Amino acid sequence: GQSLEQPSEVTAVEGAIVQINCTYQTSGFYGLSWYQQHDGGAPTFLSYNALDGLEETGRFSSFLSRSDSYGYLLLQELQMKDSASYFCAVRSGAGSYQLTFGKGTKLSVIP
Amino acid sequence: NAGVTQTPKFQVLKTGQSMTLQCAQDMNHNSMYWYRQDPGMGLRLIYYSASEGTTDKGEVPNGYNVSRLNKREFSLRLESAAPSQTSVYFCASSELRGGSNEQFFGPGTRLTVL
Repeated sequence: GQSLEQPSEVTAVEGAIVQINCTYQTSGFYGLSWYQQHDGGAPTFLSYNALDGLEETGRFSSFLSRSDSYGYLLLQELQMKDSASYFCAVRSGAGSYQLTFGKGTKLSVIP
Repeated sequence: NAGVTQTPKFQVLKTGQSMTLQCAQDMNHNSMYWYRQDPGMGLRLIYYSASEGTTDKGEVPNGYNVSRLNKREFSLRLESAAPSQTSVYFCASSELRGGSNEQFFGPGTRLTVL
């Protein structure tokens, strides 16, 4: 089966840095994605890692360690608009169309 | 471009009623998906269509049927709605090139079954 674990809630101060972790146990692994979802909105794609290491996109970075079945999303210079839920998602194989999503981490940014 | 559109935005059904959720995309994507999202459960795949003419079951297909009407449209049907199907339903589309299978989501349909 597939399972992804991430913290259910995180609170951080505006301007600070926050890390959201994701550990996965899947029958196959091709890559790890991150999606953002504001309350009442649709999920939107943030980043993707297929190889070990850090990928940076502006204030957001994502890290993957395949040997540890672990990844994280790093948000820097937090802004109030970053308050949202963040989901990690695994694609299990090159021929797989499916993404398996974690249950999400609700990030609250406080002044 | 509108991206992915879904109708209706809200729906209330009584137990046993049927309905069809509509989804369309204008990005010329080959693949389309239906998810449900329940509080604390993340997104769970109901059905997907890798390409026009094909459909496959996802993680939670029971109680649902789908139709890939053409490349643009992918509908989800509830034949006999049950309270357990109260949820937010998202349609998504993607083009499977590169590794990420980046999916583009519609705004969702909020369904309540009484």
